[in-house]
Amino acid sequence: EPEVTQTPSHQVTQMGQEVILRCVPISNHLYFYWYRQILGQKVEFLVSFYNNEISEKSEIFDDQFSVERPDGSNFTLKIRSTKLEDSAMYFCASSEQGESYEQYFGPGTRLTVT
Amino acid sequence: KQEVTQIPAALSVPEGENLVLNCSFTDSAIYNLQWFRQDPGKGLTSLLLIQSSQREQTSGRLNASLDKSSGRSTLYIAASQPGDSATYLCAGFSGGYQKVTFGTGTKLQVIP
Repeated sequence: EPEVTQTPSHQVTQMGQEVILRCVPISNHLYFYWYRQILGQKVEFLVSFYNNEISEKSEIFDDQFSVERPDGSNFTLKIRSTKLEDSAMYFCASSEQGESYEQYFGPGTRLTVT
Repeated sequence: KQEVTQIPAALSVPEGENLVLNCSFTDSAIYNLQWFRQDPGKGLTSLLLIQSSQREQTSGRLNASLDKSSGRSTLYIAASQPGDSATYLCAGFSGGYQKVTFGTGTKLQVIP
């Protein structure tokens, strides 16, 4: 069964460093998403991406964040200058275009900023 | 702004019992509602998606209902098993299809 994959599973970085989190969505899906979950808190929507541009973003997704689909398979989230409060689990998700908007989530990348 | 609440926050039941998890949302202009399970330290596994035109969906021992007028969704688990132990999240999709608001989650423990 097709699945969303994410790499790395765990990333440790120092405050102020740039990180890139990578995702491979399900191949025939056209909508892509990033979410984050701070330990013990709700899953929060960050951004949605369709047709090579951002369709929606939340207040969390400020100028420090960017997303890109550099090729036909990868979808990346970049944090330019990490802060301690960026430490969280980051989930990528994808969905088909059409009536069904069921989102399929990857296993997540745990980002630890020290 | 959509708010999604799940009650109870935690639930412990003996194996074999039928149970209901509740999800409430504030904005009835909801497109879809999706139920997930999350195992500790893991990603989210989609269980059921209910589209706004539907009232319920079933998959195996799971049945989810959606009542937009009352702002409620329920997830019914029949004949619970220890393997059902996980945190269950509901998520409401509104405001442009791609935006989703997650609930606070219900942590379920099924005791053998």
